[in-house]
Amino acid sequence: DVKVTQSSRYLVKRTGEKVFLECVQDMDHENMFWYRQDPGLGLRLIYFSYDVKMKEKGDIPEGYSVSREKKERFSLILESASTNQTSMYLCASTPSPAGGKQPQHFGDGTRLSIL
Amino acid sequence: AQSVTQPDIHITVSEGASLELRCNYSYGATPYLFWYVQSPGQGLQLLLKYFSGDTLVQGIKGFEAEFKRSQSSFNLRKPSVHWSDAAEYFCAVGDPTGTASKLTFGTGTRLQVTL
Repeated sequence: DVKVTQSSRYLVKRTGEKVFLECVQDMDHENMFWYRQDPGLGLRLIYFSYDVKMKEKGDIPEGYSVSREKKERFSLILESASTNQTSMYLCASTPSPAGGKQPQHFGDGTRLSIL
Repeated sequence: AQSVTQPDIHITVSEGASLELRCNYSYGATPYLFWYVQSPGQGLQLLLKYFSGDTLVQGIKGFEAEFKRSQSSFNLRKPSVHWSDAAEYFCAVGDPTGTASKLTFGTGTRLQVTL
């Protein structure tokens, strides 16, 4: 079974801090994704990566950056956290080939609160 | 760009009753369609998927979904709901273009089951 592990289930940070959310998958998947989930808005794609050191912006990249130095690890970075970034963050991965057929495998999420 | 609409934000059914969750999509070609379930505090789990062929697809936990091209719909059904089915359900459409298996999610339907 695919295992996608997010390093923290709950995280509380202060406004202006630099925040790192970590995600690791154990199935050698090429593609990895970061979403944020807010009530009534569903899941919105922040960034995704289709290979090591490769990244593309999703629908809401503002205020975020990502890092993928190793295939199994995909980090989401909040450069200067703000209260409107309080949310549930979900990481997912899929294998190649691409083309929309691969279901995504999700971690359990990190609930981030910015005070 | 593709989009997904889940018109019901919240549905309540009695245990043992039948269930239908609605999903409408907008996409120019044959879509790849998915249903996911999210239990409280958890990530998303794949229930079923449709790529082509038989328009009635079976999934896990006794769920099924029917693809209707003429109605641009992919509704999720279950003949008899169990209390453990209480969760949030997300419909998603896959993007067959691009470099990764991107999904576009609906805003979700929260299912409450009364005993």
